[in-house]
Amino acid sequence: GESVGLHLPTLSVQEGDNSIINCAYSNSASDYFIWYKQESGKGPQFIIDIRSNMDKRQGQRVTVLLNKTVKHLSLQIAATQPGDSAVYFCADGDNYGQNFVFGPGTRLSVLP
Amino acid sequence: DAGITQSPRYKITETGRQVTLMCHQTWSHSYMFWYRQDLGHGLRLIYYSAAADITDKGEVPDGYVVSRSKTENFPLTLESATRSQTSVYFCASSGTSGGTQYFGPGTRLLVL
Repeated sequence: GESVGLHLPTLSVQEGDNSIINCAYSNSASDYFIWYKQESGKGPQFIIDIRSNMDKRQGQRVTVLLNKTVKHLSLQIAATQPGDSAVYFCADGDNYGQNFVFGPGTRLSVLP
Repeated sequence: DAGITQSPRYKITETGRQVTLMCHQTWSHSYMFWYRQDLGHGLRLIYYSAAADITDKGEVPDGYVVSRSKTENFPLTLESATRSQTSVYFCASSGTSGGTQYFGPGTRLLVL
């Protein structure tokens, strides 16, 4: 992920709506991408991953889309729930090293 | 099923003091990592270890020392704490090279 400065982007959505969180990465050699969810006061929690030989992967209520041409990753959350409120961030890396690059995150707020 | 744990969860210390943060995982993962998380920077890798007695520097290693005498433990030591080391520290582990990293709950460190 890329740093976007000191201010954490915030996305506010109505409960029940779909959420789309975006992430840009800079390393063309990255071939493994992960989305993490971090709730207040807790460690990052793995949500879903995708490898560079895929452009879409689905989990339970979540979908990750990968566009390698523009080095862009997105996380879609269907039927967003209050429990989805957290900071979400992406990480990208390659199989040759351990140096994952983490984005600064997007704060998702779910409105009742 | 303890997973990955960190201690202490909160620590206040003074400039110049030595502080050790503990990390323990029960999965027998080969790879372990230390990150610091600061607003505006996201997660930054301090050190990582591929196996017992093998450690490597990450992005921000200065002022930190690690050891890995046992696979399950990966302590991080601040030899002479500075105020700039006030941060939230996360330990993570991974079973494979370049694979998904699973995070501990974090240690909040305040250096006065």
